[in-house]
Amino acid sequence: GNSVTQMEGPVTLSEEAFLTINCTYTATGYPSLFWYVQYPGEGLQLLLKATKADDKGSNKGFEATYRKETTSFHLEKGSVQVSDSAVYFCALSPLTGTASKLTFGTGTRLQVTL
Amino acid sequence: SQTIHQWPATLVQPVGSPLSLECTVEGTSNPNLYWYRQAAGRGLQLLFYSVGIGQISSEVPQNLSASRPQDRQFILSSKKLLLSDSGFYLCAWSTGRTDTQYFGPGTRLTVL
Repeated sequence: GNSVTQMEGPVTLSEEAFLTINCTYTATGYPSLFWYVQYPGEGLQLLLKATKADDKGSNKGFEATYRKETTSFHLEKGSVQVSDSAVYFCALSPLTGTASKLTFGTGTRLQVTL
Repeated sequence: SQTIHQWPATLVQPVGSPLSLECTVEGTSNPNLYWYRQAAGRGLQLLFYSVGIGQISSEVPQNLSASRPQDRQFILSSKKLLLSDSGFYLCAWSTGRTDTQYFGPGTRLTVL
């Protein structure tokens, strides 16, 4: 079946540091890949997505590139801010049938300090 | 623009009591609707999804059920809550065959 593996957290960084959160997946075919962010006490917000190999999703300074050869979709940001502190979820959708069924990783908590 | 609402925001219920959580979507028609549960410190588990009124698919056998009485309304229910039902319940929607899901603010359920 489909699965998503994320690096264990928490990740603690100083403000303006470089961020990488690793995500690898297992799926048949060509799934779409997503990063969602969850701020404390809130629901999930879509951060970025990529739908085919070599696509780069980007939003709010975050980027991730769909690497089919390594089955990866690592999240990066060049300079994190305190406001980026949240839990980040990697997810995939096989888009089978008439409803997408997302498979999520377990999430990586990011804490950014001054 | 589309918005998704969930209520209540928080709920504390005794073991054995019934449950009803509601989710509504505005600004779109015939959405696909989803219920997820997020246990403390863990990822999200898809519980149910629906592609239309009265059409419910269950992903995980459990103590919960779902219903979709109207196009943009999705309800999660239980007749008798268990301690293990505690968690953060999230509703989401998507349109047509697009695979991007948009999430509501969630309901935090504590069963004591």
